[in-house]
Amino acid sequence: EIVMTQSPGTLSVSPGERATLSCRASQSVSTNLAWYHQKPGQAPRLLIYFVSTRATGIPARFSGSGSETEFTLTISSLQSEDFGVYYCQQYNKWPLTFGGGTKVEIK
Amino acid sequence: QLQLLESGPGLVRPSETLSLTCTVSGDSITSSSFSWGWIRQPPGKGLEWIATMYYTETTNYNPSLKSRVTISVDTSKNQFSLNLKSVSAADTAVYYCGRQPGHCSSTTCFGYYAVDVWGQGTTVTVS
Repeated sequence: EIVMTQSPGTLSVSPGERATLSCRASQSVSTNLAWYHQKPGQAPRLLIYFVSTRATGIPARFSGSGSETEFTLTISSLQSEDFGVYYCQQYNKWPLTFGGGTKVEIK
Repeated sequence: QLQLLESGPGLVRPSETLSLTCTVSGDSITSSSFSWGWIRQPPGKGLEWIATMYYTETTNYNPSLKSRVTISVDTSKNQFSLNLKSVSAADTAVYYCGRQPGHCSSTTCFGYYAVDVWGQGTTVTVS
């Protein structure tokens, strides 16, 4: 299976600052990569699919980039509602696999 | 507005079978553009994909669970279900159902298999 590795494990960011999250795949996933945001006690929410396409209702401060094995999620100016855990997921091959998550916390 | 709602027992005894149902409202489970999946999250841990199915009952299972998992669809009730047999404490988790905007024919796949709509999740404890 394709192993997804996210870094860092925890990111401390002040509101208004830029946040950059990384996701690495153990083999190429082409552009079949999604990002999710999860707040405590809630289901994950899809942010981005196909590396850089924002899901419905997702604000423009969220952007994704990368290809093959290296991917980045950037939040240009962190808002209070953006804190929580972010997961990447590949859907290039079965089984579908998720990264271990990056926790974004208030600095 | 599409909504998914998981239901089932919150407590299952070890070695027994965990059975959950996901009821879909606001869209037909037989929509040609979507597949339907199950994902779980153990307490304090990350997400694990369990299985995905298309309404024609084409299925894909996580190999780590395949020997114990069955998913099925009831189109008359607009529901799909998960059965996980021989459970242990390691199966304690929040179980989510979700819609996945992808499907595959015999020769090619369309869309994508992210989860664009999630249920609220249901907590299952094995004890």
